[in-house]
Amino acid sequence: GAGVSQSPRYKVAKRGQDVALRCDPISGHVSLFWYQQALGQGPEFLTYFQNEAQLDKSGLPSDRFFAERPEGSVSTLKIQRTQQEDSAVYLCASSLAHHPVGQPQHFGDGTRLSIL
Amino acid sequence: KQEVTQIPAALSVPEGENLVLNCSFTDSAIYNLQWFRQDPGKGLTSLLLIQSSQREQTSGRLNASLDKSSGRSTLYIAASQPGDSATYLCAVSGLSRGGSNYKLTFGKGTLLTVNP
Repeated sequence: GAGVSQSPRYKVAKRGQDVALRCDPISGHVSLFWYQQALGQGPEFLTYFQNEAQLDKSGLPSDRFFAERPEGSVSTLKIQRTQQEDSAVYLCASSLAHHPVGQPQHFGDGTRLSIL
Repeated sequence: KQEVTQIPAALSVPEGENLVLNCSFTDSAIYNLQWFRQDPGKGLTSLLLIQSSQREQTSGRLNASLDKSSGRSTLYIAASQPGDSATYLCAVSGLSRGGSNYKLTFGKGTLLTVNP
């Protein structure tokens, strides 16, 4: 596709349920990022993949958060036993280069997650 | 820890006015700085990327400057239009132990409203 695609656009879940958020990066983009954006805040880094390798997961808030990119393309962010503080917009971004210094990150429209 | 501040938090101007958005960062050891635009319910669109060795970048009516030593950047928008109404976010990628220069640190953004 022409841009980064995320699904679903909106997700409502009850506290304690597991959720899975999908990201389709731009074709050929090596680097993939997940960010969490709370209401009225800027995005905060969660994790970074280079192809299928998860090189940095330092931003994941807890061990309930898990991300994978098994074939180096589509990525899934999974949140187990969701809590109300997980409510946010989850943004995915991709970049062409292996080390994206000087390369802009291209963002999807995000998944808005609401935990009841 | 890098901190990014954007002033003002919100700005309302009449159509046609020139305006300046401000961004400051606490750690001057950065690889690059990006300005993004975010429309309601949407992801981020990269507007301009300035490498740490550069002083400014221009695209159409937009001009971004970078003063790395003082930790400041400005986004200048000429002849503003109602379609420019959006939230503008500044983000820096920094030098850190391990070279994680891909990690963007965002400000909270400036909400711009251009009135017809």
